[in-house]
Amino acid sequence: AQSVTQLDSQVPVFEEAPVELRCNYSSSVSVYLFWYVQYPNQGLQLLLKYLSGSTLVKGINGFEAEFNKSQTSFHLRKPSVHISDTAEYFCAVSDRPGANNLFFGTGTRLTVIP
Amino acid sequence: DTGVSQNPRHKITKRGQNVTFRCDPISEHNRLYWYRQTLGQGPEFLTYFQNEAQLEKSRLLSDRFSAERPKGSFSTLEIQRTEQGDSAMYLCASSLAGNYGYTFGSGTRLTVV
Repeated sequence: AQSVTQLDSQVPVFEEAPVELRCNYSSSVSVYLFWYVQYPNQGLQLLLKYLSGSTLVKGINGFEAEFNKSQTSFHLRKPSVHISDTAEYFCAVSDRPGANNLFFGTGTRLTVIP
Repeated sequence: DTGVSQNPRHKITKRGQNVTFRCDPISEHNRLYWYRQTLGQGPEFLTYFQNEAQLEKSRLLSDRFSAERPKGSFSTLEIQRTEQGDSAMYLCASSLAGNYGYTFGSGTRLTVV
């Protein structure tokens, strides 16, 4: 069975500082990995996804993530955060093409401090 | 492309009442998904449709829950005899088969009092 662990429930960071949001997954099969962002009172928006190929994935809004199979991790990074990045971030995993059924982590609340 | 639309945005109901939510997916998307998100948790899969066929249901979808997607367009999620534990955000998403990553709607927040 798949599961996702987001190790930090809250991450405060000063504006223009770098940030890393951690995600570890458990799966016995090949996985497809995703990061979503949720702004207050809104649905989830896809930031980036890893399906295959290069382990460094670039997404929208300057975010990137690195797939590390040996450590079963898919950490999200941004070199310089902005106030507008304040949101909830969810890591998700699927073991099937087409992502019929995504398993989400419990989320990390990123707060950017001016 | 107007995105995924969910109605209503908020619903307050008394315990024991029935409620129905509607989701209008992106028009060319043939897959439609329902998720439930409780406070402090990530979304949990409930069910999904490909066109009008309901292809998978989670064990979270008890017999009080029913979902339909007539004609493969909009979908409805009905909860009968609501319980306080049903209070949550109900999220709908759509995608094209074989495309990775959904487009989510803004959700319907249900409060059962």
